[in-house]
Amino acid sequence: QKEVEQDPGPLSVPEGAIVSLNCTYSNSAFQYFMWYRQYSRKGPELLMYTYSSGNKEDGRFTAQVDKSSKYISLFIRDSQPSDSATYLCAMSETDKLIFGTGTRLQVFP
Amino acid sequence: DVKVTQSSRYLVKRTGEKVFLECVQDMDHENMFWYRQDPGLGLRLIYFSYDVKMKEKGDIPEGYSVSREKKERFSLILESASTNQTSMYLCASSSLSGTATSYNEQFFGPGTRLTVL
Repeated sequence: QKEVEQDPGPLSVPEGAIVSLNCTYSNSAFQYFMWYRQYSRKGPELLMYTYSSGNKEDGRFTAQVDKSSKYISLFIRDSQPSDSATYLCAMSETDKLIFGTGTRLQVFP
Repeated sequence: DVKVTQSSRYLVKRTGEKVFLECVQDMDHENMFWYRQDPGLGLRLIYFSYDVKMKEKGDIPEGYSVSREKKERFSLILESASTNQTSMYLCASSSLSGTATSYNEQFFGPGTRLTVL
């Protein structure tokens, strides 16, 4: 079993839809939970991070962490074609990150 | 603006060749990382370094070595390239850990797509 599981998609939604991306994990020692966004032919860039449990909101993006269920989510409201990318969850207890496989999202006009 | 650069975007090599992938960061970061990214497997850590001349094995170090002679530069070496090393290689850097509740973002380069024939 992988330490971090993420549905690879692809996920295709119309513009304006609410998108939900999820990851599960097995290591209860993880304290930092990140979402990276990767556009085609580019390196990943940090979108949001959360320390321990709880919610964090940044504009149209909301990250949720449920440590009791070992489950994290990223919600995108009012999705735009420019949100089309691969979304990678990542988590760690130190500087070393463990990544999910990434979910490919396509938002069509 | 933070920047991590990688020496090549695309590289084609022959089986058995020695391959050097170079990464340079301009943020004075202590930590540097090498990952490979494969479909269905995500990013996997090959090696990382916390300081000049220091290196630590990641999850898949076999067939690779690294060199960090200067703080800003971290090189990945494939001693004898094989076809199963065909992949996207990503370099990243981050500063030393801050407070217990803050995450030190890893900044990634654009990647090098290596094909070994």
